[in-house]
Amino acid sequence: QKEVEQNSGPLSVPEGAIASLNCTYSDRGSQSFFWYRQYSGKSPELIMFIYSNGDKEDGRFTAQLNKASQYVSLLIRDSQPSDSATYLCAVRGFKTIFGAGTRLFVKA
Amino acid sequence: GAVVSQHPSWVICKSGTSVKIECRSLDFQATTMFWYRQFPKQSLMLMATSNEGSKATYEQGVEKDKFLINHASLTLSTLTVTSAHPEDSSFYICSARVVGGLNNEQFFGPGTRLTVL
Repeated sequence: QKEVEQNSGPLSVPEGAIASLNCTYSDRGSQSFFWYRQYSGKSPELIMFIYSNGDKEDGRFTAQLNKASQYVSLLIRDSQPSDSATYLCAVRGFKTIFGAGTRLFVKA
Repeated sequence: GAVVSQHPSWVICKSGTSVKIECRSLDFQATTMFWYRQFPKQSLMLMATSNEGSKATYEQGVEKDKFLINHASLTLSTLTVTSAHPEDSSFYICSARVVGGLNNEQFFGPGTRLTVL
């Protein structure tokens, strides 16, 4: 079992729709959870972090964390073509582990 | 967010040569920096954790004698790929953790694309 699992996608959504990205992790001792966006050929860019159960909203982005289910998600509202990228989930316990990423395509 | 720079952004070298990549935190001090490698369409793979003033901690399977890491100051870490071979061609990315930040978040440098001929 991978330590951090993400659906590789691609996930395709129409412009203006909600994109839902999911991530599960295996280490129950994980403390902090991060979502990064990575455009092709570029390095990851931090979008959000969350460390308490529940939802955290920042603009069009909402991170959701459920530690009991070892699940973290990212919702992108009003998706734009510029949101098309690979989204990496990162989980930090003793060290930070990255998922393989989910490719998102937003169709204009 | 905090700014992390890397130099060079890309490098092409012949097999057998050594290549040094610099990672700098521009507006904060980073006691810990991380070096990742990313092959096409794959995720980031942590190579080593670089601690200022002490030896780096390498991940399993990463040759410490091949990938030399020096963290000489609170703002600079270097990765030297010694005797590079074509299979070392990859995207190398460093990141630095903001100590004392809200959640000790990590910020990434822009990456260095290494091509070994």
